[in-house]
Amino acid sequence: SQQGEEDPQALSIQEGENATMNCSYKTSINNLQWYRQNSGRGLVHLILIRSNEREKHSGRLRVTLDTSKKSSSLLITASRAADTASYFCATDAMVGGNEKLTFGTGTRLTIIP
Amino acid sequence: DGGITQSPKYLFRKEGQNVTLSCEQNLNHDAMYWYRQDPGQGLRLIYYSQIVNDFQKGDIAEGYSVSREKKESFPLTVTSAQKNPTAFYLCASRQGNADTQYFGPGTRLTVL
Repeated sequence: SQQGEEDPQALSIQEGENATMNCSYKTSINNLQWYRQNSGRGLVHLILIRSNEREKHSGRLRVTLDTSKKSSSLLITASRAADTASYFCATDAMVGGNEKLTFGTGTRLTIIP
Repeated sequence: DGGITQSPKYLFRKEGQNVTLSCEQNLNHDAMYWYRQDPGQGLRLIYYSQIVNDFQKGDIAEGYSVSREKKESFPLTVTSAQKNPTAFYLCASRQGNADTQYFGPGTRLTVL
C-alpha cells in the first residue's frame, strides 16, 4: 500500500484564501517531499523537509512535519488560480537496503477565481 | 520538466503488442526511475536503475522490462504480459545522494 496518504482528496477554495493539505505515513523516514502536478504533466518538486526538521518555508509554501504522529502538512498562503493542480507528498525511506521514494494518492486543489 | 524528455507524448497500442517508451536525460544523473500513474492515483514504482547496466524491480514490475545501456537513457518496454497497461507513465532521474527527483512530461499509453 502507499506510504503516504493525503487528506483531503480534493479541495476547492476561493482565490486569496489559504489551502492546507495533510499527509500521513506509516514508517520511519529520512525526509518528506511535496510535489505538484499540473493536469497531464510531470511532477515538479516543491519542498523537502528532513526528519529532524519541524517546519520549513519557501515563498508562499509552509511545510510542517510531526514525526511522532507520522504526519505532514502543506500550507499554500494567498492562493492564486495558477496554484490549481494536484499535490503529492512523498516519503523517502530505506526499503530493503535501497533508498526509495513512495508517493501518496494526492490532493486535487482547485482555486476559484 | 527539467532536462528529461519522454517520447512519445501519446501512444496507442493494440492488445498483444509490445511497446517501448523512451526516456532521455541530459542532467548527468546516476539514477533513473519509471512510475505508473492511474487516474486519481499516486505514482507506483515500476523499475529503477542506480547506475549504468544495473536495474532493480519496483513494486509493480510484472509485464514490464527495462534496460540501462547508457547513463542518459532508460527505455521501458510494456509487454503483452501486462494485463492492464493503459496508464500515464512517468520517468524521473536523481543525482547521486541528492534527495529530489526530476520528472519528465510523461507518456500516456492507451491500449485499444
